[in-house]
Parts: sequence; structure tokens; C-alpha cells
Amino acid sequence: DFQLTQSPSFLSASVGDRVTITCRASQDISNYLAWYHQEPGKAPKLLIYAASTLQTGVPSRFSGSGSGTEFTLTISGLQAEDFATYYCQKLDRYPLTFGGGTRVEIK
Amino acid sequence: EVEVVESGGGLVQPGGSLRLSCAASGFVLSDYYIDWVRQAPGKGVEWVACKRNKANEDTAEYAASVKGRVFISRDESRNSLFLQMNNLKIEDTAVYYCARMSKGGGSYDWYSDLWGRGTLVTVTS
Repeated sequence: DFQLTQSPSFLSASVGDRVTITCRASQDISNYLAWYHQEPGKAPKLLIYAASTLQTGVPSRFSGSGSGTEFTLTISGLQAEDFATYYCQKLDRYPLTFGGGTRVEIK
Repeated sequence: EVEVVESGGGLVQPGGSLRLSCAASGFVLSDYYIDWVRQAPGKGVEWVACKRNKANEDTAEYAASVKGRVFISRDESRNSLFLQMNNLKIEDTAVYYCARMSKGGGSYDWYSDLWGRGTLVTVTS
């Protein structure tokens, strides 16, 4: 079965920090990967698609990279509103699996 | 305003049925792929099902966890999508989100760019 593994599952950071989240696919998914963030009680919100394309309106401190089976989401200069849970999702074929999530909390 | 709004959630016993609705405004729902995504209490998000647009055979895909119990339909006159859920199990308890899937200009440009607020389904005896 296909798996999308995010790491870490939890991280503690301070405002202004640079943080990196990794998403590993068990099979090659080319660039068919999106990143979302979710605040408690709210729906996920799109940050990045096609592995590295920033969604319109998303701050430039967010960036994505990778291809094939390994992908990263980087937040350069963590802001207060960035403390949330982040998910990756593969979109090459069904099922459109999500990663298990990475919760980013304030240190 | 461009949005999707879910409704129809509630309390149901194991083995029961429920029909969730996803009403779209500001765009024509049948022009897009529409996903259902759920989130169990305190857990991550899980893709549940997708309805392709009319231009792509209008077919549906389902996660293994719900296949055979869940069916998607659409009512163009109401610009709405429905998720019929049968033989519900305790593990189906979750907030169910409707999400519009959009396609950009590049080959890899698929993404869910519009989400509703979700509707809560609680399966309990």
C-alpha cells in the first residue's frame, strides 16, 4: 500500500525560527504534491501545490521543494499565525493520500 | 462569494445511514472535481471520495475504508453534491469537509483550493 510519511510529527519552535517539515512517499509521485496548514477548528488551507508552487496570497516565507519521493516544506521566519498542523497530500492518482501531519507549537 | 457549505451531519447509530450535502455558490460545481475529506476527533485528515467533473466521465472514486458503503451524487439544479453514507461504523465519526479540486496550467497543478467548514458526523450507540 502507498504511504506518505511526514516527519517530525511534532515540533516546538519560536517566532522567527526557520523550520523544515519532510514528506516521504513510498513510491515516485513526481511533483504531484500539495501542502496545507490547518488551525484548530478550521478547515485545511492550501499553501503549496506541484511541490513548489506557492498558492496565491500565501506569504513568501513558505517554500516547498523536492520531487519523486522526498519533499520538504520550509517556513523561513516563523510567525505567530503559523503555529498550526501541516499536511502533505499526493495527487498523482487515487486514493489522494494525506500525510499524518506535523504539529508546530510555540516553544 | 465563492464558497462551499456542508450540511447533513448529526448523530446516528452504527449501521445507520446519513446523507451529507455540499452546496456550492459562486461557481458551477459540475465544472470541478469535488472531494470529501474527513477528520476524526484529534486525528489527521483522510481523503474519502471524489466526484469527477462532467467533462471527465462524471465518475467517482472512493477510499478503501468506505468503498461499498458510500456513494456520491450531484444535483446540478441545486449546484450541490451529496455523500450518501450507509452502514455507518463507529470509526466513521469525523468532521466531513467538502473541497473543490482545481487544475492549474501545469501538468502537476492539482490542488484543493476551496474548503467548507465541515459537518460533524457522530456514530454512536
